[in-house]
Amino acid sequence: NAGVTQTPKFRVLKTGQSMTLLCAQDMNHEYMYWYRQDPGMGLRLIHYSVGEGTTAKGEVPDGYNVSRLKKQNFLLGLESAAPSQTSVYFCASSYQGLKRNNEQFFGPGTRLTVL
Amino acid sequence: GQQLNQSPQSMFIQEGEDVSMNCTSSSIFNTWLWYKQEPGEGPVLLIALYKAGELTSNGRLTAQFGITRKDSFLNISASIPSDVGIYFCAVDRGSTLGRLYFGRGTQLTVWP
Repeated sequence: NAGVTQTPKFRVLKTGQSMTLLCAQDMNHEYMYWYRQDPGMGLRLIHYSVGEGTTAKGEVPDGYNVSRLKKQNFLLGLESAAPSQTSVYFCASSYQGLKRNNEQFFGPGTRLTVL
Repeated sequence: GQQLNQSPQSMFIQEGEDVSMNCTSSSIFNTWLWYKQEPGEGPVLLIALYKAGELTSNGRLTAQFGITRKDSFLNISASIPSDVGIYFCAVDRGSTLGRLYFGRGTQLTVWP
């Protein structure tokens, strides 16, 4: 049981390049989330999904797209990377949103630098 | 937009001391959460509070959900070196979808 895993751990991009970050969970969770964390800031929600085939915008969705084709995977895409997207990206999952005793589990993060 | 004011921004304490940090907001929230993040890792949930006035403990950690539903505090008693990390408060955005809004964090350093 690996929990929430993220691929890759580190990546350096040039402005304008595209890439996809992969999040996988083996806990059969319905809900999945993508956050970004910048220095001195808390995590900010980019997009989230409440089930296979569904996605919705979070607090800072511009410049990102997501897909949830399989229940266990949640992909975050950057079509044309910008230096402002330099950040640490965290994926999280939970069984059923935010209810009592329903914890949101976080992955280890992907550190992305856009030059 | 919503803003969580978390203080202090950083703390430097000696092993054995007690620690207190808090989080306030101008808006009412129905759920307050406290997370800890260690270097190179994702946040880990420490305590979840779902009812105004609720006081919950997890080992040496104690957290309370303010009566006004606009604040929460976290206390750590008898700190140890492994308490080092960033502590975040977080709230739900008003539904049960798990869309969390995080404070800026309190960086805790514990000297042996």
